[in-house]
Amino acid sequence: KAGVTQTPRYLIKTRGQQVTLSCSPISGHRSVSWYQQTPGQGLQFLFEYFSETQRNKGNFPGRFSGRQFSNSRSEMNVSTLELGDSALYLCASSATGHLYGYTFGSGTRLTVV
Amino acid sequence: GENVEQHPSTLSVQEGDSAVIKCTYSDSASNYFPWYKQELGKRPQLIIDIRSNVGEKKDQRIAVTLNKTAKHFSLHITETQPEDSAVYFCEANPSGGYQKVTFGTGTKLQVIP
Repeated sequence: KAGVTQTPRYLIKTRGQQVTLSCSPISGHRSVSWYQQTPGQGLQFLFEYFSETQRNKGNFPGRFSGRQFSNSRSEMNVSTLELGDSALYLCASSATGHLYGYTFGSGTRLTVV
Repeated sequence: GENVEQHPSTLSVQEGDSAVIKCTYSDSASNYFPWYKQELGKRPQLIIDIRSNVGEKKDQRIAVTLNKTAKHFSLHITETQPEDSAVYFCEANPSGGYQKVTFGTGTKLQVIP
């Protein structure tokens, strides 16, 4: 079956712009989580959505937001981009949540210039 | 909230030797402990996991041990091969699936042929 699909794979934006990233989970998975990965900070949790509801949120500013649709697809939005937002943004899906591990997508590499 | 410490940050071993990576966690309510492998330029992949009702789990050359009293769990790789070279992340999840995801900071394993 298809894995977790993230689009786009690469993105270049300028400071102050906003960006929307998309994630399509594995069919039947209702939990979608987002992570930011940088060389210095490792993997950091952004938020998790389950059945269209944000269930958990990490310690990121309000510029980072997300949503989940009825088909479980999720989007992440970052407004007023800063240079420090340059990172690999990973999405992962799970059938029920954390207790059964996650399947990750390939990520979106965001570069802010 | 949960705090996960992972050691060592880097590890070099000769091909055929064993490698051990250790994680300690703070929340005694954690009961699910997955490990992920991330090869250079690729997505993290779940390689093995363990739940709190089990002390050890093995899958071919990899094993995970859990000591709930001491709040630590370890990844063991035996007969290492060059393809084991990657960054390994641990994770600790409190029960209920409604908690923030907390990853270790990662261990870069290099297997020297």
